[in-house]
Amino acid sequence: QVQLQESGPGLVKPSETLSLTCAVSGYSISSGYYWGWIRQPPGMGLEWIGSLHHSGSTYYNPSLKSRVTISVDTSKNQFSLKLSSVTAADTAVYYCAKDGGVVVVTAIHYFDYWGQGTLVTVSS
Amino acid sequence: SYELTQPPSVSVSPGQTASITCSGDKLGDKYACWYQQKPGQSPILVIYQDSKRPSGIPERFSGSNSGNTATLTISGTQAMDEADYYCQAWDSSSYVFGTGTKVTVL
Repeated sequence: QVQLQESGPGLVKPSETLSLTCAVSGYSISSGYYWGWIRQPPGMGLEWIGSLHHSGSTYYNPSLKSRVTISVDTSKNQFSLKLSSVTAADTAVYYCAKDGGVVVVTAIHYFDYWGQGTLVTVSS
Repeated sequence: SYELTQPPSVSVSPGQTASITCSGDKLGDKYACWYQQKPGQSPILVIYQDSKRPSGIPERFSGSNSGNTATLTISGTQAMDEADYYCQAWDSSSYVFGTGTKVTVL
């Protein structure tokens, strides 16, 4: 059973960088699939942030691309999110998730396993 | 950018059928999936590749996708199905989520 667990500061100051890590258990990131970050502002809908493959291939939401970096540490079986120059609008629950789509079939992408989510508040 | 539009809310009586639509340009040419999210919980995948159910998802959940509209159908709706539902598709190297629909079981 694949399990994902987000960790990181729950409070970040405006203009600083938000950093989160997603620890994966039950499956080796190096074995395949894409792994992603999704966020949900309080009372609002889901927004995809970005995804990566252990090979280094990444996809980013165009609206966030200039501020987002997603990286992987296969030795620790975890991947990370960095979001720079945050504002109050970045306050949200941040989820990490596994893409269940078969990588070679590029049109099929969905998230079949999700972490429990972590609330990050941007405030001074 | 690609957009997926859902009705804000759907109401259904217990035991009846709830249909939730997701509209997007030529959505039928893409693969749609659906998530259920209850308050304070992470989303759960209930339909993928238009109409496939993950292991453990009840048979009362079904999906279809044609033209510009994907539909999630809940047959014999139960009180436990009350939740927010989001559609999602892949377009131009991006995951796109729908606006979300709150299903109320009256």
